[in-house]
Amino acid sequence: AQSVTQPDIHITVSEGASLELRCNYSYGATPYLFWYVQSPGQGLQLLLKYFSGDTLVQGIKGFEAEFKRSQSSFNLRKPSVHWSDAAEYFCAVGRSNDYKLSFGAGTTVTVRA
Amino acid sequence: SAVISQKPSRDICQRGTSLTIQCQVDSQVTMMFWYRQQPGQSLTLIATANQGSEATYESGFVIDKFPISRPNLTFSTLTVSNMSPEDSSIYLCSVDGAGRVDQETQYFGPGTRLLVL
Repeated sequence: AQSVTQPDIHITVSEGASLELRCNYSYGATPYLFWYVQSPGQGLQLLLKYFSGDTLVQGIKGFEAEFKRSQSSFNLRKPSVHWSDAAEYFCAVGRSNDYKLSFGAGTTVTVRA
Repeated sequence: SAVISQKPSRDICQRGTSLTIQCQVDSQVTMMFWYRQQPGQSLTLIATANQGSEATYESGFVIDKFPISRPNLTFSTLTVSNMSPEDSSIYLCSVDGAGRVDQETQYFGPGTRLLVL
């Protein structure tokens, strides 16, 4: 069975500073990896995904993530955060046979002025 | 990506009653999924709904409590039956990216916020 660990429950970052959110996964086969963002009172929006190929993937809103198979990680980064990036971020791993997703516990990002 | 809507967006219900949540997508999709997000928690998959077959439930979820319908390729309903305060959650539907060259990706609706008193 697949699983996802997001070690950081809450991160506070200053506006304009860089952000990195950690994600570690466990899955026996080649994983499908996703980052979603949930703003307060909203559903989930897909930021980016990795299936294969280039291990550095670009997403929306200036986010990128790097897949590192040796570390079973898929960390999310943004060079300069905006106040609108304050939200809950979820990492997820999908199974290749039925596409079911398992989500991490989420990381809450607070942006201070 | 698909445009997904859910009705109702929120509701307050009395214990012992049932609520049916609708999920509508603007294009045909193969798989629809229902998730529960309890307060302050992550998402947990309830079941997968494929058109023309019975829904497949995850461990800990049963059809009597969460009956699901999938009458066509653009619509599904989830009923939360005989509700208790523990059912207070956000319920989200998602669809696969079939037809958009990314069937492996799930796109989510805005969610239904349920409070049971």
